[in-house]
Amino acid sequence: QVQLKESGPGLVQPSQTLSLTCTVSGFSLTSYNVHWVRQPTGKGLEWMGVIWTGGSTDYNSALKSRLSISRDTSKSQVFLKMNSLQTEDIATYYCARDLGLWGQGVMVTVSS
Amino acid sequence: DIQMTQAPSSLPASLGDRVTITCRASQDIGNYLRWFQQKPGKSPRLMIYGATNLAAGVPSRFSGSRSGSDYSLTISSLESEDMADYYCLQSKESPDTFGAGTKLELK
Repeated sequence: QVQLKESGPGLVQPSQTLSLTCTVSGFSLTSYNVHWVRQPTGKGLEWMGVIWTGGSTDYNSALKSRLSISRDTSKSQVFLKMNSLQTEDIATYYCARDLGLWGQGVMVTVSS
Repeated sequence: DIQMTQAPSSLPASLGDRVTITCRASQDIGNYLRWFQQKPGKSPRLMIYGATNLAAGVPSRFSGSRSGSDYSLTISSLESEDMADYYCLQSKESPDTFGAGTKLELK
């Protein structure tokens, strides 16, 4: 079954690092690009970044300084790490295959 | 970064109406334009890719078009299941950028 599923802590303390995992099944990370998109509650979608089939990455200009996307192809997992989290980072985080197939999303709250 | 200006932000409409949502790109994006539908509590769903191509499983009442730097999503006859938020996205140049969204609601 072709799917993506995000996982990670639902609560992160301010100034700490967010670590999320997107576990994919039914396809290879060397054949499809995986994007990360987030959405603050009640607001619009924000493209965060992408890891291309070859392993290179591109990032949202506004997040570039604190965002990192990587992968482990043997485990079919894509990782998102973002440091210096603040309340503005409270959102649902999605991973998506070529933006055509999306995971269910994971809600992240920033609070002490 | 390329800016996508989406309008309107809210669109009240009646069942059976023909509705159009528009996105204008701040620079040339060719046909690298997608439209997404999102219902409350759900993940976005790809509706249109390549500006005019219907994604798999999308009803034929949906269509996409382009006129210069203006891109439109049209629903020919609105059904209740179409009530949702809609977003455009350009992927001509990284970073990809979304429009601000349009809330389609019953009048």
